[in-house]
Amino acid sequence: EAGVAQSPRYKIIEKRQSVAFWCNPISGHATLYWYQQILGQGPKLLIQFQNNGVVDDSQLPKDRFSAERLKGVDSTLKIQPAKLEDSAVYLCASSLGGGGFGEQFFGPGTRLTVL
Amino acid sequence: GDSVTQMEGPVTLSEEAFLTINCTYTATGYPSLFWYVQYPGEGLQLLLKATKADDKGSNKGFEATYRKETTSFHLEKGSVQVSDSAVYFCALSGANDYKLSFGAGTTVTVRA
Repeated sequence: EAGVAQSPRYKIIEKRQSVAFWCNPISGHATLYWYQQILGQGPKLLIQFQNNGVVDDSQLPKDRFSAERLKGVDSTLKIQPAKLEDSAVYLCASSLGGGGFGEQFFGPGTRLTVL
Repeated sequence: GDSVTQMEGPVTLSEEAFLTINCTYTATGYPSLFWYVQYPGEGLQLLLKATKADDKGSNKGFEATYRKETTSFHLEKGSVQVSDSAVYFCALSGANDYKLSFGAGTTVTVRA
């Protein structure tokens, strides 16, 4: 079974530029998550989708971050404009259901460096 | 809000040594508790979980028991191997929502 796919794996941009990350979850997984992992910290949930609807985006900095999951399958996360403090690894995860008792499967992440 | 505090690292051990990583949590109700592991160059993987008090999760020789009285979920392994070198994250999923809250992670290095 194919795992969660993410691209690109690495991205270097200058501050104030825009960047987009892509995620393809495991086939059949209804729930998709985006996490931000800053160096030395645990992952922090940015947004959770159930199919193509947003369940939780309370920690998403909506002035600069946006995410969509148009057809309930793959998803994109965008940052516009980027700040230095956005340097982090962006993780995508998926689960069959709401994720409470079900396992979340993580992708390899995209490492973003903002200069 | 819900939160997890885990032992700071890094931790360096010799092969066959005993490993303990402490994890305590703050949450309302009855959360589910998890340990995730991140091996070098790989993504996060679920190591073990426990969904109610006194449950013991186990996998690959690792164990952790959900202790509600001490709000703890300490990870243990009796005899570590070099291949156990990784970053370990304690996490919880709230009783009323399914959001995962992670600790800061503990880096474990096992020397041959």
